[in-house]
Amino acid sequence: DAGVIQSPRHEVTEMGQEVTLRCKPISGHNSLFWYRQTMMRGLELLIYFNNNVPIDDSGMPEDRFSAKMPNASFSTLKIQPSEPRDSAVYFCASSPQGQGYQPQHFGDGTRLSIL
Amino acid sequence: GEDVEQSLFLSVREGDSSVINCTYTDSSSTYLYWYKQEPGAGLQLLTYIFSNMDMKQDQRLTVLLNKKDKHLSLRIADTQTGDSAIYFCAEKGGYNKLIFGAGTRLAVHP
Repeated sequence: DAGVIQSPRHEVTEMGQEVTLRCKPISGHNSLFWYRQTMMRGLELLIYFNNNVPIDDSGMPEDRFSAKMPNASFSTLKIQPSEPRDSAVYFCASSPQGQGYQPQHFGDGTRLSIL
Repeated sequence: GEDVEQSLFLSVREGDSSVINCTYTDSSSTYLYWYKQEPGAGLQLLTYIFSNMDMKQDQRLTVLLNKKDKHLSLRIADTQTGDSAIYFCAEKGGYNKLIFGAGTRLAVHP
């Protein structure tokens, strides 16, 4: 089975540029999560979707960040304009929906560096 | 509110046992998870425990759950250098959301 697929694996760009991170969840999973990980703040939940609908975006740092899930197999996280403090590793995770044992499965992350 | 706390660092000698501790706040959590993150990689599900269990063993891993004290621990027997990683404790919140601790960095030395 293919796991959660994120692209690109690495992105280096200059401040002010638009950055788009992509995620393909595991087929059949109804929930999708975007996280950011830094040394200073650890692992932060930015936004999550249930059946393609954003449920909670309170973790999105500011209006420069936006996320979409146009269908069940694709999501994007966009930063426009990017700033050096956005440098981090961004993870996408997906999980099946339900009340029981429903662990999240993580992608390998996108390492973003804003110069 | 929901909160998960872990100690940040643990250093052990190769071959010894490691015990990573975690406390959580939501007594209604049904599942608690341990994830492992190796350098440059994503979080990998290591093991989990259901809230009606006190203990779960899986090869070198033992998970202990004390619901009264809201305390979870992960014991790794015969710790190897390949076990060096960051270990995250997580409890299940609403909508399949997971509440993660800050992670415990385990260093294994010869």
